[in-house]
Amino acid sequence: KQEVTQIPAALSVPEGENLVLNCSFTDSAIYNLQWFRQDPGKGLTSLLLIQSSQREQTSGRLNASLDKSSGRSTLYIAASQPGDSATYLCAVRPTGGTSYGKLTFGQGTILTVHP
Amino acid sequence: KAGVTQTPRYLIKTRGQQVTLSCSPISGHRSVSWYQQTPGQGLQFLFEYFSETQRNKGNFPGRFSGRQFSNSRSEMNVSTLELGDSALYLCASSLGQPGFSSTDTQYFGPGTRLTVL
Repeated sequence: KQEVTQIPAALSVPEGENLVLNCSFTDSAIYNLQWFRQDPGKGLTSLLLIQSSQREQTSGRLNASLDKSSGRSTLYIAASQPGDSATYLCAVRPTGGTSYGKLTFGQGTILTVHP
Repeated sequence: KAGVTQTPRYLIKTRGQQVTLSCSPISGHRSVSWYQQTPGQGLQFLFEYFSETQRNKGNFPGRFSGRQFSNSRSEMNVSTLELGDSALYLCASSLGQPGFSSTDTQYFGPGTRLTVL
């Protein structure tokens, strides 16, 4: 059974700092890994999707890496801003069978960026 | 292009009642997945529909059911509500085409907040 763990559970940083969020998963048989952002009481916004054959993806100040063999992914946020404050979730999509839509999520990292 | 829409946004029900939630996917998307989010359990997969067929199901009791219509819109139903069913129910849509799973991004709606009293 796939398990996804995110560390740390919460992180508070001053504005302008670069930071790294970590995600680990137990089963390396994945199609892809997605990073999402969730604002309080809202739905999820997709930030980055990394295919299992890729090592990293970049979008603006965000960079996500994937090491499938070790079951790890990191989300790097450069020059953090107060507007980055949210819960960040990683999710993996398994291979095989009919698991097309089944994402397994971590518990998330609550990020607070203070001015 | 319009995003995923969910209705209603908020619901208050009492134990024993039943409830139906609706999800309209992004135009052109044929896969709709449902998730339950609670503070204790986080996000858990309920089921996925593609072309009106349930393609995958999570580990939830039979009180939770769903369906998909020919226009890809989906509904989920929860019968005999329990206090523990209080949660944010999220719907996600994607293209869902077999063979494109590695690049298929899931897009989430704003959710329906269900409170069971």
